[in-house]
Amino acid sequence: DADVTQTPRNRITKTGKRIMLECSQTKGHDRMYWYRQDPGLGLRLIYYSFDVKDINKGEISDGYSVSRQAQAKFSLSLESAIPNQTALYFCATSDSYNEQFFGPGTRLTVL
Amino acid sequence: EDKVVQSPLSLVVHEGDTVTLNCSYEVTNFRSLLWYKQEKKAPTFLFMLTSSGIEKKSGRLSSILDKKELFSILNITATQTGDSAVYLCAVELLTQGGSEKLVFGKGTKLTVNP
Repeated sequence: DADVTQTPRNRITKTGKRIMLECSQTKGHDRMYWYRQDPGLGLRLIYYSFDVKDINKGEISDGYSVSRQAQAKFSLSLESAIPNQTALYFCATSDSYNEQFFGPGTRLTVL
Repeated sequence: EDKVVQSPLSLVVHEGDTVTLNCSYEVTNFRSLLWYKQEKKAPTFLFMLTSSGIEKKSGRLSSILDKKELFSILNITATQTGDSAVYLCAVELLTQGGSEKLVFGKGTKLTVNP
């Protein structure tokens, strides 16, 4: 079984819709992260959480929100999706900051 | 502004060639530099470098960090088609608020042809 899972794996939605991407981990890590990847831009950090009561903005948090429901679960929401949020989204976990374990990714398309 | 720059952005070689991928950075409060390999799935961790001049090796891959000149290189010898991937460089740093953060480069897309 995968240590870090993401649902859905693929999603197509329309501009203005609210979307939630979910991430679960069985590694027992305190730290969880949401990234987006765009061609030519590499990975960019959206939000990160060092424990259940800790939420921090990353470099591109505008238009996104997160919820850390439990140590094992970290959800990313797009309140009103727009086309430039079309990207590949990755969730990751770590126990120390140095090595991150990534989920399989969610491909989101906003029409 | 903290930044990580990788070069080249893309590279096409033949099997058996040796390649060198570059990563330069300008960040405050550097802690470590990491290399990842990304194929058609999530990135996988390759190396973490914290000290200058100490080479890390894993099979045909090796990497070294120069903290004075602020760059790292990733070498792949005797390349194979399975090495085709995007290689990401990331720098771990401490923010002014004392929390940790990773800044990624744009990646180098390596294509190894038979």
